[in-house]
Amino acid sequence: DQQVKQNSPSLSVQEGRISILNCDYTNSMFDYFLWYKKYPAEGPTFLISISSIKDKNEDGRFTVFLNKSAKHLSLHIVPSQPGDSAVYFCAARDLYGNNRLAFGKGNQVVVIP
Amino acid sequence: NAGVTQTPKFQVLKTGQSMTLQCAQDMNHNSMYWYRQDPGMGLRLIYYSASEGTTDKGEVPNGYNVSRLNKREFSLRLESAAPSQTSVYFCASSEGDGRGQPQHFGDGTRLSIL
Repeated sequence: DQQVKQNSPSLSVQEGRISILNCDYTNSMFDYFLWYKKYPAEGPTFLISISSIKDKNEDGRFTVFLNKSAKHLSLHIVPSQPGDSAVYFCAARDLYGNNRLAFGKGNQVVVIP
Repeated sequence: NAGVTQTPKFQVLKTGQSMTLQCAQDMNHNSMYWYRQDPGMGLRLIYYSASEGTTDKGEVPNGYNVSRLNKREFSLRLESAAPSQTSVYFCASSEGDGRGQPQHFGDGTRLSIL
């Protein structure tokens, strides 16, 4: 049973506009959430994270929002750039899981110049 | 700037053959991980090692064995390859006991079992 779910497998957005990626989770013991970006033929690259004690974390063009009561997080990319075209994975860590991560299936983002 | 290095990058095996996927990290990380990624799926944890000398099963360990050779190296072995093990394999590492630190990934090994 998948504990981290990413719906809407693909997203197309115009350059300069906002990209919003959503992620839902089921395990209430998750305490740390991460977003990874992946280009073809490369490994995932860490993008941004958020602890469960926060509801927002910002790093440049990337902002992650966490709604614990809804077990939902989102990644906002503003403004979107062509280099942001990639697959984005949401991941979550179990407080008692020795830093094991559960990953969603990923969202393909295409930024149109 | 090596980070996490995986070898080989590509491999084709016949059913029943064995092979070892190699992984080495130069970031002095304690924790290391092996994942597989299948089409349309997220990454699934096969095995992990929280520290040198320890290994534990992840979500999909059947058909695999691992060795934490030293702090730098963590290998994944397929004793008798099966077509269901066709996948992209990623190795990752993280600092300390891994708490609060992101995992850093290699570029993957693309494995096909015929």
